[in-house]
Amino acid sequence: NAGVTQTPKFQVLKTGQSMTLQCAQDMNHEYMSWYRQDPGMGLRLIHYSVGAGITDQGEVPNGYNVSRSTTEDFPLRLLSAAPSQTSVYFCASSYSPTGNTEAFFGQGTRLTVV
Amino acid sequence: DQQVKQNSPSLSVQEGRISILNCDYTNSMFDYFLWYKKYPAEGPTFLISISSIKDKNEDGRFTVFLNKSAKHLSLHIVPSQPGDSAVYFCTYSGGGADGLTFGKGTHLIIQP
Repeated sequence: NAGVTQTPKFQVLKTGQSMTLQCAQDMNHEYMSWYRQDPGMGLRLIHYSVGAGITDQGEVPNGYNVSRSTTEDFPLRLLSAAPSQTSVYFCASSYSPTGNTEAFFGQGTRLTVV
Repeated sequence: DQQVKQNSPSLSVQEGRISILNCDYTNSMFDYFLWYKKYPAEGPTFLISISSIKDKNEDGRFTVFLNKSAKHLSLHIVPSQPGDSAVYFCTYSGGGADGLTFGKGTHLIIQP
C-alpha cells in the first residue's frame, strides 16, 4: 500500500527554471492538496483539489500552477523558480477536507532555488 | 479566520515523564482540532483529534484536553518515550475545502 508518493525527493533549480513536482495517491481520495513548509513555520496551503477537474488556490498560490486530470495525480508546477520558493513541499490526500478526517502526507520534496 | 498558535518552539522532557504540548486558537467556532506528528525527512502523520463537543480525547499514551473558555488545547504524552521525539503540529479542521490550518509546531525532545 503506497499511500501518497512524491517525486523527486530532492531538487536544485536555477532561478527562472520551471519544473513539476509529482504527487500520486492510491487510496481513491477525492481531496488532494499541496503545502510548503519553511523553517520555523507550519505548513501553508498552496493549492487544493476537491476532485478531478476542480482546483482552487490556498494561502500562498503565487508562482505555482496545478491541474487534476485524474483522481490519482495532482502535480504542482513552478512556472519560473525564484529563491523565495526554496522550501519543503508536501502533498496530501484525504477522502474529505473537513471534519475529523485524517490526511495522508507524502515524504516531501526538498527544493532549493539558486 | 481561525489562527492556531503554538508558542513553544521546543520542549525537552526526560524519558518516562509527562510531555505537555500546548496550542491556542483565536476563533470560538470550530469543528475539530487534530494533532500531527512529524519525523525528520518524513511527512506529517495523524496522531489524535478532538471535536468541539468534547473536552477530552484519549488514545493510549496520548490525551488531548480542550478548554473552550480559554481557547486552549493541550496534548499530553504519558509516559514519554524516545520514539516520541518529533515535531508536533496542532491543526484546525474547519468546514471549508481549504483543509488544515497548521500551527508552527513544537519540537519535542525526549532525553534518556
